[in-house]
Amino acid sequence: DGGITQSPKYLFRKEGQNVTLSCEQNLNHDAMYWYRQDPGQGLRLIYYSQIVNDFQKGDIAEGYSVSREKKESFPLTVTSAQKNPTAFYLCASSKQGPQPQHFGDGTRLSIL
Amino acid sequence: AQTVTQSQPEMSVQEAETVTLSCTYDTSESDYYLFWYKQPPSRQMILVIRQEAYKQQNATENRFSVNFQKAAKSFSLKISDSQLGDAAMYFCAYRRGSWNYGGSQGNLIFGKGTKLSVKP
Repeated sequence: DGGITQSPKYLFRKEGQNVTLSCEQNLNHDAMYWYRQDPGQGLRLIYYSQIVNDFQKGDIAEGYSVSREKKESFPLTVTSAQKNPTAFYLCASSKQGPQPQHFGDGTRLSIL
Repeated sequence: AQTVTQSQPEMSVQEAETVTLSCTYDTSESDYYLFWYKQPPSRQMILVIRQEAYKQQNATENRFSVNFQKAAKSFSLKISDSQLGDAAMYFCAYRRGSWNYGGSQGNLIFGKGTKLSVKP
């Protein structure tokens, strides 16, 4: 079955360390998205990519970086510049046009 | 900028009863889509129902239906015959209708969510 796979499920970051969250999809979707979810909050967009080798900043891109070298993959790096990285991170993808987004199971990132 | 507001942080319903979750949004556009997503304790986001703004007929998916009031910019979700498995966070989301590369049209704007509890 097609879907979106996020790994790892849980991730711990040390001070000053960069960590990378993986997102892979086999739905043949063009667009991919990264969201951050904090307690009591809705999802906020970090980065999005509508096509391979292209991506745009979302509402809260500072301290994060992404790449889109393959259609299936959209990894998110949480850099040491992100001072409050503890959150639940969700990856999503969609077809072009007015199609709904499909989500992965998420990664919970915590600080050691 | 578009905004989505869910004014009910928490709601509770008795099993087998009906509950309505509220959502209002603000936009100056005429072409857009609205969604309700469910997030159970497993944290996975599950699409419940979608509504195209150009359609006057309210969307329905089994026990889930919406009351879409375009002029009032209201998009409520009705859950009939509530079941224990309906207990979750529910998020209302807005998306612009057009799609062009390089734009933000595909991005979802989420409300802060309503936590629904179902009492046996």
